[in-house]
Amino acid sequence: NAGVMQNPRHLVRRRGQEARLRCSPMKGHSHVYWYRQLPEEGLKFMVYLQKENIIDESGMPKERFSAEFPKEGPSILRIQQVVRGDSAAYFCASSSTGGENIQYFGAGTRLSVL
Amino acid sequence: AQSVTQPDIHITVSEGASLELRCNYSYGATPYLFWYVQSPGQGLQLLLKYFSGDTLVQGIKGFEAEFKRSQSSFNLRKPSVHWSDAAEYFCAVGESDTGRRALTFGSGTRLQVQP
Repeated sequence: NAGVMQNPRHLVRRRGQEARLRCSPMKGHSHVYWYRQLPEEGLKFMVYLQKENIIDESGMPKERFSAEFPKEGPSILRIQQVVRGDSAAYFCASSSTGGENIQYFGAGTRLSVL
Repeated sequence: AQSVTQPDIHITVSEGASLELRCNYSYGATPYLFWYVQSPGQGLQLLLKYFSGDTLVQGIKGFEAEFKRSQSSFNLRKPSVHWSDAAEYFCAVGESDTGRRALTFGSGTRLQVQP
């Protein structure tokens, strides 16, 4: 019974490159959330998706960041033209469709921008 | 908008001593409340949650937390700390009356356990 799977665990990019972070939710879960954790800080909500739909993107930066959760395959968080300030740990969580919003987290992707 | 405050950035306790980590929240209604633990380089593991009902909730690894509406608090406790409890602990709040599913996290409390 696999949990939330994120890959890669570590990602190094140079300024201006693109970063793609992948997240496969727990089996049976149809809700995916992305959070960002800057050094020495708590997690900040970025986006909430269901299959083929973005439900809440109130925490997403307006430029360079996008997310998708296609009908088939993992959810993708995409960061275009990365800058040093994008260096952070990016966590994905998933939950079931039920009323209780219990989110289970993956191990995260640690992005370093050189 | 809701907010979460964890007043203690860093706490050190001796192994076998009791522990209480503080969490205060700001929210108009009764929120959903969570405690997560993060070991170095790892993801977050859910320790316990409160949605409604009994205000004292039991979690994994011997942790418990008590919801106190009058104090807007949800403090985490453990009667006897083990060295393996050294980690960072996050309190989080979810909205119970809007349908919005984003969680708001505190800035965390780092627990160090002395032998």
